[in-house]
Amino acid sequence: GAVVSQHPSRVICKSGTSVKIECRSLDFQATTMFWYRQFPKQSLMLMATSNEGSKATYEQGVEKDKFLINHASLTLSTLTVTSAHPEDSSFYICSATDGPDTQYFGPGTRLTVL
Amino acid sequence: LAKTTQPISMDSYEGQEVNITCSHNNIATNDYITWYQQFPSQGPRFIIQGYKTKVTNEVASLFIPADRKSSTLSLPRVSLSDTAVYYCLVGSYNQGGKLIFGQGTELSVKP
Repeated sequence: GAVVSQHPSRVICKSGTSVKIECRSLDFQATTMFWYRQFPKQSLMLMATSNEGSKATYEQGVEKDKFLINHASLTLSTLTVTSAHPEDSSFYICSATDGPDTQYFGPGTRLTVL
Repeated sequence: LAKTTQPISMDSYEGQEVNITCSHNNIATNDYITWYQQFPSQGPRFIIQGYKTKVTNEVASLFIPADRKSSTLSLPRVSLSDTAVYYCLVGSYNQGGKLIFGQGTELSVKP
């Protein structure tokens, strides 16, 4: 149980294009989903908290107009990196929770912006 | 959110028991302690969670003293495949479930 998937697992795009990453909770309804970013050899950095049907809450320093988050249902949240640039290249990881104090993480999406 | 402090790295050998201690002096009353394991280019994997005393599952044990200001993850008889980064986190759903990752402990298991 408690499986979270992400799609795609890796994506390469040109600078200036937008990329959408999907996060799904497969066997439970996620009241809250989280998006993280991880650069090489570094820890995970929380970007935003997403609740179904409401606007995401972004961490300080994260541009909400650049990283668009939509949480359309209790099993799906999407992160869109708009007008991506090489510095946005990173490993993006989502997590989901169904209420109790445990987050379950997706496998991550490797974004490379050329 | 309570800040956690862990050793940056640890070395061990196959078959040994490994204990990783995490300090969380500012843990709040409602906070749980959760440990995750992360391999390169993968999402963190839940290992164990506890609130107080001792918790054991099929892969690890978690020891939490009465003051809850620290916790110790115990991995019995590690193997090469346990080489990974281990994160200790504290948080609660009352705080929106947010988890702030620290540096983690990079465990290297040698043959």
